[in-house]
Amino acid sequence: DTEVTQTPKHLVMGMTNKKSLKCEQHMGHRAMYWYKQKAKKPPELMFVYSYEKLSINESVPSRFSPECPNSSLLNLHLHALQPEDSALYLCASSQDFNNEQFFGPGTRLTVL
Amino acid sequence: GQQVMQIPQYQHVQEGEDFTTYCNSSTTLSNIQWYKQRPGGHPVFLIQLVKSGEVKKQKRLTFQFGEAKKNSSLHITATQTTDVGTYFCAGPDTNAGKSTFGDGTTLTVKP
Repeated sequence: DTEVTQTPKHLVMGMTNKKSLKCEQHMGHRAMYWYKQKAKKPPELMFVYSYEKLSINESVPSRFSPECPNSSLLNLHLHALQPEDSALYLCASSQDFNNEQFFGPGTRLTVL
Repeated sequence: GQQVMQIPQYQHVQEGEDFTTYCNSSTTLSNIQWYKQRPGGHPVFLIQLVKSGEVKKQKRLTFQFGEAKKNSSLHITATQTTDVGTYFCAGPDTNAGKSTFGDGTTLTVKP
């Protein structure tokens, strides 16, 4: 299996809602990433997990909370988001930190 | 912090013409990776270059890594409509920091 899957594909939420994004890979990769991508911009790194431990947090607001339950799964918990948080959220994995990354299809998030 | 710049930002070509995008980092890179993102899609890994001066080819695509490991280029020969998309370079600096993505070059191909 050479795929990274993400659910849901689309998500619309209000500013008071709590939701979670999920990401899964079965390639045995030890590094997993969350990115945020706005239209016509490059992916912007949010978090990196390496060997199931959070190794990088790019000063992301606390309304975004990552979780890595095991080596195959990565979650992003969302709470009290702002409309400017609307974007495509991409998950990626790599064999090791900073090797080539395999991206999932993303979750397109709209915050009303 | 590390900055990665790509030029041009946009390129419009006639099908069959060649295309080149250039990537320049403010710091020395451990490696350079290239990704392609189709409209409405997600980034897809194309290639990774590691050695100074390395050149790799994939069919009509030629990738180069500069001698100083601070710049790279992607050249497409005889573009096709399937080449449409945004091409990103990304690379970690030698201090084992995180990879930074360039701003990308968006290629459109007129049939």
